[in-house]
Amino acid sequence: DTVLTQSPALAVSPGERVSISCRASEGVNSYMHWYQQKPGQQPKLLIYKASNLASGVPARFSGSGSGTDFTLTIDPVEADDTATYFCQQSWNDPTFGGGTKLELK
Amino acid sequence: EVKLQQSGDELVRPGASVKMSCKASGYTFTDYAMHWVKQSPGQGLEWIGTIIPLIDTTSYNQKFKGKATLTADKSSNTAYMELSRLTSEDSAVYYCASPNSTGSIDYWGQGVMVTVSS
Repeated sequence: DTVLTQSPALAVSPGERVSISCRASEGVNSYMHWYQQKPGQQPKLLIYKASNLASGVPARFSGSGSGTDFTLTIDPVEADDTATYFCQQSWNDPTFGGGTKLELK
Repeated sequence: EVKLQQSGDELVRPGASVKMSCKASGYTFTDYAMHWVKQSPGQGLEWIGTIIPLIDTTSYNQKFKGKATLTADKSSNTAYMELSRLTSEDSAVYYCASPNSTGSIDYWGQGVMVTVSS
């Protein structure tokens, strides 16, 4: 299985820039996707294929990376961005990262 | 509008089985695969398996082979997942989710919470 590793939690102030990382145990080309999940809700697609903004997602969200190292950036962070963010690869059988919980100071 | 409508939450006894459904609307059911994903309480997401309704082909995460069985009914645009020999480890929210051609998941069901308890 392709293991995806994320840092468990981050805390930032509104208006700041935050970068959330995801490292794959093997290369996944550009087939890395990012989701936002709020408590009690299903995940929502933010970024597909590393850097493409999903429909309806604010331009404050962006993605970068290829191979094994990927980053989701939110700039500027807003209060509504409090959530858990997951990466997912589809180069091999799908796997998800453990999630990064973003809290606002 | 694309919608994946899942069946209701379940309370089941240890050792029993449960079968849940996922009715798709707003798109051609046979054009896309359907994933099933597990989310344990306070945990991350695990891929259980995928069914391709057009050709009735399934693939499973090795961890869930023998635990989950995926089927689909093209006549009713509905995907099903049956979980067998349930234990407390199976208590979780289960999502159906439709991937697009990139493998990212545009559409998710609302989730079914399965609680295994005597």
